[in-house]
Amino acid sequence: EPEVTQTPSHQVTQMGQEVILRCVPISNHLYFYWYRQILGQKVEFLVSFYNNEISEKSEIFDDQFSVERPDGSNFTLKIRSTKLEDSAMYFCASRGQDHYGYTFGSGTRLTVV
Amino acid sequence: AQSVTQLGSHVSVSEGALVLLRCNYSSSVPPYLFWYVQYPNQGLQLLLKYTTGATLVKGINGFEAEFKKSETSFHLTKPSAHMSDAAEYFCAVSLLTGGGNKLTFGTGTQLKVEL
Repeated sequence: EPEVTQTPSHQVTQMGQEVILRCVPISNHLYFYWYRQILGQKVEFLVSFYNNEISEKSEIFDDQFSVERPDGSNFTLKIRSTKLEDSAMYFCASRGQDHYGYTFGSGTRLTVV
Repeated sequence: AQSVTQLGSHVSVSEGALVLLRCNYSSSVPPYLFWYVQYPNQGLQLLLKYTTGATLVKGINGFEAEFKKSETSFHLTKPSAHMSDAAEYFCAVSLLTGGGNKLTFGTGTQLKVEL
């Protein structure tokens, strides 16, 4: 069964550093998403991406965050200057033409120290 | 706007007992509804989903859920709990909108199964 692949599985970074979280969505999917889950809390929507542009973003997704699909296969989330409160599990998801066929990756656990 | 409320952040059942995890949603249009399970330190696994058609939906691991429009509910049940069912369960809703159909998750219910 096709999978969404996220790398790395764990990342530790110093406060103020830039991080890039990488995702390879399912190849024929068209819609791409990032979600995050702070430890012990619910999964929160960050951003959705379609046709090479952001289609929706949450209030969490401020100017420190950006997304890119640089080469038609990878989908990246960049945090420019990490803060302690950015420590969370980040999930990538993708979806095809149907409106409910979401597939999630296994997540990247980001720890900011 | 869409939202999901999960009643009970922690539910404890005995092995072999009925599991009932509650989910109510709020949306202005017919929703798509989902249940996901998350085992410790793992990702989100889809248990089941309701899109259209039959309101009783069967999923993996013996779970099922019933969409009740009049009650705006999508409660998750399993007739007989197993120790391996201990995990966190998230209800989620998605709407057919022009904004990419994001999923909105509830706060989760931690299921504990006791001997």
